Amino acid sequence: KNEVEQSPQNLTAQEGEFITINCSYSVGISALHWLQQHPGGGIVSLFMLSSGKKKHGRLIATINIQEKHSSLHITASHPRDSAVYICAVDRGATNKLIFGTGTLLAVQP
Amino acid sequence: GAVVSQHPSWVICKSGTSVKIECRSLDFQATTMFWYRQFPKQSLMLMATSNEGSKATYEQGVEKDKFLINHASLTLSTLTVTSAHPEDSSFYICSARGDRPIGNQPQHFGDGTRLSIL
Repeated sequence: KNEVEQSPQNLTAQEGEFITINCSYSVGISALHWLQQHPGGGIVSLFMLSSGKKKHGRLIATINIQEKHSSLHITASHPRDSAVYICAVDRGATNKLIFGTGTLLAVQP
Repeated sequence: GAVVSQHPSWVICKSGTSVKIECRSLDFQATTMFWYRQFPKQSLMLMATSNEGSKATYEQGVEKDKFLINHASLTLSTLTVTSAHPEDSSFYICSARGDRPIGNQPQHFGDGTRLSIL
């Protein structure tokens, strides 16, 4: 079993829909990252969080440390949101990230 | 926000050639840099961690003589794929992390280098 599990693996949505991507992990962490990877390959760090909730524009990330679970929400989705979204956890001691397998999101106009 | 520049973005070369990839932090001091490899439709795989001024720490299974990493300054790390072969073809991504302000800092990623060995 992977230490970081994401669901769903693939997600197709219509423009304007509210989207949720989930991440569960089984190890102790110091922080959790949500990353966005576009088809060209470049990675953008969306959030780093260790508790509670963060919001940036149409993106919201939440984390429940007790339940070892995080969610990434996209409100009013747009085709430009189409990308792979990756959850990664930081174990802290070495700052190595453990990555989930990613969620491929396609938002159709 | 913090910017990491990776160069080149795309390389095609003949088998046996050595290829150098640069990773620069443009507006912060990167005390730690990470090099990742990504195969198609797979997640990132950490190859090595480098701290400025010291030898890189390689992950199990990564040949340090094959993948030479230099982190000579707080803004530059390089990965050299020596005597590259077709099986080295992959997408290589670096990330950089500073230590200011003190505390857990995020990693900032480069745009990646797509390496194709013929």
